[in-house]
Amino acid sequence: EAGVAQSPRYKIIEKRQSVAFWCNPISGHATLYWYQQILGQGPKLLIQFQNNGVVDDSQLPKDRFSAERLKGVDSTLKIQPAKLEDSAVYLCASSSAFQGISREQYFGPGTRLTVT
Amino acid sequence: KQEVTQIPAALSVPEGENLVLNCSFTDSAIYNLQWFRQDPGKGLTSLLLIQSSQREQTSGRLNASLDKSSGRSTLYIAASQPGDSATYLCAVGTGFQKLVFGTGTRLLVSP
Repeated sequence: EAGVAQSPRYKIIEKRQSVAFWCNPISGHATLYWYQQILGQGPKLLIQFQNNGVVDDSQLPKDRFSAERLKGVDSTLKIQPAKLEDSAVYLCASSSAFQGISREQYFGPGTRLTVT
Repeated sequence: KQEVTQIPAALSVPEGENLVLNCSFTDSAIYNLQWFRQDPGKGLTSLLLIQSSQREQTSGRLNASLDKSSGRSTLYIAASQPGDSATYLCAVGTGFQKLVFGTGTRLLVSP
């Protein structure tokens, strides 16, 4: 079974530029998550999708971050414009969890973003 | 608001030792608890998932326990090996499948 795929693996941009990350979850997984992991901290949930609908985006900085999951499969996370404090690893995860049934989350390798 | 704490922040042991990593959480109303391993520059690898109705889970040399009433979980690693060196993250499942992570324990096992 193929794992969660993410691209690019690394990205360096200047502040105020825009950037986009892509995620392809495990086939058949209805739930998709984007996390932000700042160096030395645990991952923090940014947004959670159930199929192509948003379940939770309470910690997403909506003035600069946006995410979509068209057709309930792949997802993209965009930052525009980027700030220095956005430097972090962006992790995508997926799960077969649905309607309250608890399942494991599986993580991709992450995208390391450096904003200069 | 759920808060997850992991102690110690870092741990260094010689190969062969048995060790315990600790995780505590402030709100006992959880769906599950998941332990992850993270190698430098890599994503997270799921080690064990304990449902809220369970007390423990075992996989090979790993054993995780859960005590919801006291807000604690432990990850026991038997006969540690240098390949076990990594950061171990505890995450509590709250709300609808949302995970709240601790800051991790960085483990170094020396030969």
